Amino acid sequence: DGGITQSPKYLFRKEGQNVTLSCEQNLNHDAMYWYRQDPGQGLRLIYYSQIVNDFQKGDIAEGYSVSREKKESFPLTVTSAQKNPTAFYLCARSTGLAGGSRSWAQYFGPGTRLTVT
Amino acid sequence: GEDVEQSLFLSVREGDSSVINCTYTDSSSTYLYWYKQEPGAGLQLLTYIFSNMDMKQDQRLTVLLNKKDKHLSLRIADTQTGDSAIYFCAERVLTGGGNKLTFGTGTQLKVEL
Repeated sequence: DGGITQSPKYLFRKEGQNVTLSCEQNLNHDAMYWYRQDPGQGLRLIYYSQIVNDFQKGDIAEGYSVSREKKESFPLTVTSAQKNPTAFYLCARSTGLAGGSRSWAQYFGPGTRLTVT
Repeated sequence: GEDVEQSLFLSVREGDSSVINCTYTDSSSTYLYWYKQEPGAGLQLLTYIFSNMDMKQDQRLTVLLNKKDKHLSLRIADTQTGDSAIYFCAERVLTGGGNKLTFGTGTQLKVEL
């Protein structure tokens, strides 16, 4: 699971409701990321955080919000403002800028499939 | 700008070699990666190559990098049915925002008996 836990694996919500997806890591890594994947498409970056209490917008941040109050946790809220929320959401971690990584690779969790009807 | 392109599908017979290709546009790329995704799962890092290398081999996997043409390939020797998956290439680019990867759209590899 790449040292990342995402829960739940499947999530169903009614249109107009906010929903929060969980992402936890146990490897003390600084950087965490949220991606969205739609069928037949690559990954699109929603938000990322290089350090606790700081995060930046990715390419498709509209309709989403995040927090990074603890190093091990980076929850993503899909708000009712997100027009097409049904998708597969992936969380990733990397050692980040301070970790002295040799590869800067990102390691992914198992994903959460969100269906909004 | 950042753009990573891959062909959508590849079909091979079991035991043959598979070659998955990728082109990228950002000349400031430092690392390039190959990930594998099985149905309903997250992405698994297979291998990566630093931009000052032109080849890296890891068991059945061989990565070739042509920096002049911005072309990356992944060769899987003796392809097995368990190799059927979507393969993504990704590049790390140097931006003001820190460590970000740009992913291709993925190549669906189908291994036939």
